[in-house]
Amino acid sequence: EVQLLESGGGLVQPGGSLRLSCAASGFTFKNYAMSWVRQAPGKGLEWVSVISGNGGSTYYADSVQGRFTISRDNSKDTLYLQMNSLRAEDTALFYCAKLMGPLVFTASDYWGQGTLVTVSS
Amino acid sequence: QSVLTQPPSASGTPGQRVTISCSGSSSNIGSNTVNWYQQLPGTAPKLLIYSNVQRPSGVPDRFSGSKSGTSASLAISGLQSEDEVDYYCAAWDDSLNGSVFGTGTKVTVL
Repeated sequence: EVQLLESGGGLVQPGGSLRLSCAASGFTFKNYAMSWVRQAPGKGLEWVSVISGNGGSTYYADSVQGRFTISRDNSKDTLYLQMNSLRAEDTALFYCAKLMGPLVFTASDYWGQGTLVTVSS
Repeated sequence: QSVLTQPPSASGTPGQRVTISCSGSSSNIGSNTVNWYQQLPGTAPKLLIYSNVQRPSGVPDRFSGSKSGTSASLAISGLQSEDEVDYYCAAWDDSLNGSVFGTGTKVTVL
């Protein structure tokens, strides 16, 4: 059974940093691209970033480019999102999602339950 | 700001067919496949349709997808009360070099 468990969310002041983690199990992690998607309270889904199965390709939404870094450790079956220079508008529930293949433009077939990031002073 | 436009709401009576549109451009829907997600309140999104028309295992055949040019549609036939949730389209955008989601549609069963 595929399982994705996010952690690392919390309350942080504007300008601060957080690192989110997503522990994966139930599939061969290195064979699949992974992504982060967020949802602000009461709002729609916003794609944040994606990384290919081997970690060689990464892409970011314009809203987080230069502030967020996606990475993965295939030896630990874990996905990460390093978030720096956080802003109030980054407040959201962050979901980790598994894509259907190693390439970055396929659909996300499994999702975690999300970790909440709140940016506030 | 989303580049895929969906109607904010759609509705129908039980048993009816409801269609949700997703309008994009040549850089996203026009050149890449469309996926649809269903999101129940307080839960993670669930993949409903991928590659324009494919249903993952376990998704009822009441749900179907289609694509034409720079637009896509999700159809729900035999509308049921449990279909009263939010739906999002998504596609890769070659200009943005990233994925984009639609604005989302809330379906109401009258």
